[in-house]
Amino acid sequence: GESVGLHLPTLSVQEGDNSIINCAYSNSASDYFIWYKQESGKGPQFIIDIRSNMDKRQGQRVTVLLNKTVKHLSLQIAATQPGDSAVYFCAAPARGSYIPTFGRGTSLIVHP
Amino acid sequence: DTAVSQTPKYLVTQMGNDKSIKCEQNLGHDTMYWYKQDSKKFLKIMFSYNNKELIINETVPNRFSPKSPDKAHLNLHINSLELGDSAVYFCASSRDRSLEQYFGPGTRLTVT
Repeated sequence: GESVGLHLPTLSVQEGDNSIINCAYSNSASDYFIWYKQESGKGPQFIIDIRSNMDKRQGQRVTVLLNKTVKHLSLQIAATQPGDSAVYFCAAPARGSYIPTFGRGTSLIVHP
Repeated sequence: DTAVSQTPKYLVTQMGNDKSIKCEQNLGHDTMYWYKQDSKKFLKIMFSYNNKELIINETVPNRFSPKSPDKAHLNLHINSLELGDSAVYFCASSRDRSLEQYFGPGTRLTVT
C-alpha cells in the first residue's frame, strides 16, 4: 500500500509569514494527492488536491507542489493567519484504490 | 444543516461493554467511512462502505462492525471494548468513492 509521511511534526510561524508543510510518499505509482486540515476538536477538512499529471495547483492562499522525481509534495500557505493553526495531513490512495492513506500530520502553530 | 454528524460526541465506558456510534450524512453521498485517530493524531481507515461493497481494513479487530440501515447512515458497533480502543473515531462520506471526503466532528471514546 501507499505510505505517506510528513517531515516535521510541528511547524511554528509568525502571523503574516508564509508556511511550507512537506510530505513524502513511497509509491511512485500514486496518481492523486490530497491535503486535509484538522482544527482542534474537529474532523479533517479537505483543502486541496493534485493529480500526478500536474506539478502545481493553486487555491485561495494555498499552493500545492508535486515533485514526482523525489516523491515529495508540499503545501504552501501564504500570509499565514491564526486561523490556519491546525494539523495538516497529506494523503494518497494506493493505485486503483479510492481509500487514502494519511500521513501522520504536521501541527502548524501561528504566533500573532 | 450539518453535513456529516456523529453521536455521541463523547463516550466513556468500561472494558467489556458493547457500544455503538451513529453517523448520518445529508449530502446524498453513497460512500461512507470510519476512521480511528489515536493520541498521536494518526488517522487510520477502518471501513469503507457503499451500497455495493464493504471494504474492511484487515488490521481492524472483528469486535468492530459497521452497520448501514440506509445510504445516509453508517453506524459503528464495538463489542467487548478494550482499553486500546480509546481514540477519536471519525465518520466520513464521499460521492461515489471520490477521494474528497467530508468528515464528521468525531466521537471521543474513552474506555476505563
